[in-house]
Amino acid sequence: SQELEQSPQSLIVQEGKNLTINCTSSKTLYGLYWYKQKYGEGLIFLMMLQKGGEEKSHEKITAKLDEKKQQSSLHITASQPSHAGIYLCGADGASGSRLTFGEGTQLTVNP
Amino acid sequence: NAGVTQTPKFQVLKTGQSMTLQCAQDMNHNSMYWYRQDPGMGLRLIYYSASEGTTDKGEVPNGYNVSRLNKREFSLRLESAAPSQTSVYFCASSGPKVRGPLAKNIQYFGAGTRLSVL
Repeated sequence: SQELEQSPQSLIVQEGKNLTINCTSSKTLYGLYWYKQKYGEGLIFLMMLQKGGEEKSHEKITAKLDEKKQQSSLHITASQPSHAGIYLCGADGASGSRLTFGEGTQLTVNP
Repeated sequence: NAGVTQTPKFQVLKTGQSMTLQCAQDMNHNSMYWYRQDPGMGLRLIYYSASEGTTDKGEVPNGYNVSRLNKREFSLRLESAAPSQTSVYFCASSGPKVRGPLAKNIQYFGAGTRLSVL
């Protein structure tokens, strides 16, 4: 089965700083999904990557999938308190509708 | 636009009690899922339903049953709750499944049910 490892497990940054969260897979990623979760709420879909080298951006968040399709990174530029939460990556296998999720990265942004 | 709605939001049970968690989606999605989220364990799939009338076990199905009542609703039942089932439960749904390496499986989540079993 596919396993996803996220790093770091937690991250505390000052407002305005840039940060990167990584998601590494034990197998080739056919679809990589980034979600954000605020405490007490469900997961909010951010972005999906499928092709090697693909990069997508939404506001100040950029996600990339490496050429080998085994690692993705989520980069936040000029972080704000509104970016705080848990970021999870999820991945498709070669087929099937089930996603495997990483354990999540807890992000705290101090004003 | 409600998306995925879960009820209840909070529940406290005593060991041995039973309860049903309800989930409904209004996005005309074929697939629905039940996950549990525990500290240090991430999200783990309990059961899923690829389409109306079908259900399949996920990673941690023991102690749970599910019913896909219709295309909109997917319920999760705990027949005899145990303290190990204390967790946050999430329901999710995803749209039509296109097979192959470029298939998109974006799942949309409900707000969760926080369950404590004493």
